[in-house]
Amino acid sequence: NAGVTQTPKFQVLKTGQSMTLQCAQDMNHNSMYWYRQDPGMGLRLIYYSASEGTTDKGEVPNGYNVSRLNKREFSLRLESAAPSQTSVYFCASSMDRAALYEQFFGPGTRLTVL
Amino acid sequence: GENVEQHPSTLSVQEGDSAVIKCTYSDSASNYFPWYKQELGKRPQLIIDIRSNVGEKKDQRIAVTLNKTAKHFSLHITETQPEDSAVYFCAASNSSGYALNFGKGTSLLVTP
Repeated sequence: NAGVTQTPKFQVLKTGQSMTLQCAQDMNHNSMYWYRQDPGMGLRLIYYSASEGTTDKGEVPNGYNVSRLNKREFSLRLESAAPSQTSVYFCASSMDRAALYEQFFGPGTRLTVL
Repeated sequence: GENVEQHPSTLSVQEGDSAVIKCTYSDSASNYFPWYKQELGKRPQLIIDIRSNVGEKKDQRIAVTLNKTAKHFSLHITETQPEDSAVYFCAASNSSGYALNFGKGTSLLVTP
């Protein structure tokens, strides 16, 4: 099993450009999450999907959109990238509710917005 | 989101010493408290967790304690080794139970 995979690993964008970060899991998990990690700020939740067909905002959703394409895939879209979105983005998944099951993280995407 | 405060932000210990990292949370509904370890350039990985109906949990050299009344929980690493050097994050489940709120992390350095 590959676990949680993310593409791309690295990306450089210019201000105003758009892109989609892809995430997939092969563990048959119901819940999926997108975090951003900035130096000294820990992991901040952007959006999560408790189950296929549902998405909810986390702590820092502004400037992002998500799509739970199917049970395996959860994508994060930046419509108009800004330098403040320079960060490392982690996708994670869990069997079900975060309060009951371990979250497994992907390898991360390092995004730089110039 | 609900606050999870983590201290200290950096910690340096000699190999063989103990390390303690402390976290406090504000949401009374939180009932799940995991700890993640992140090595440089790698993904966070769960090392231990505790639920609100338990006061202490131990796994070899690591242990976690929880005081629900005071809303704080701590990670204890004994007999530290250089490979314990990493950033450690505490987290607490939010009121819906569908997400975690993370602390800002503690960078632990174990020197030989």
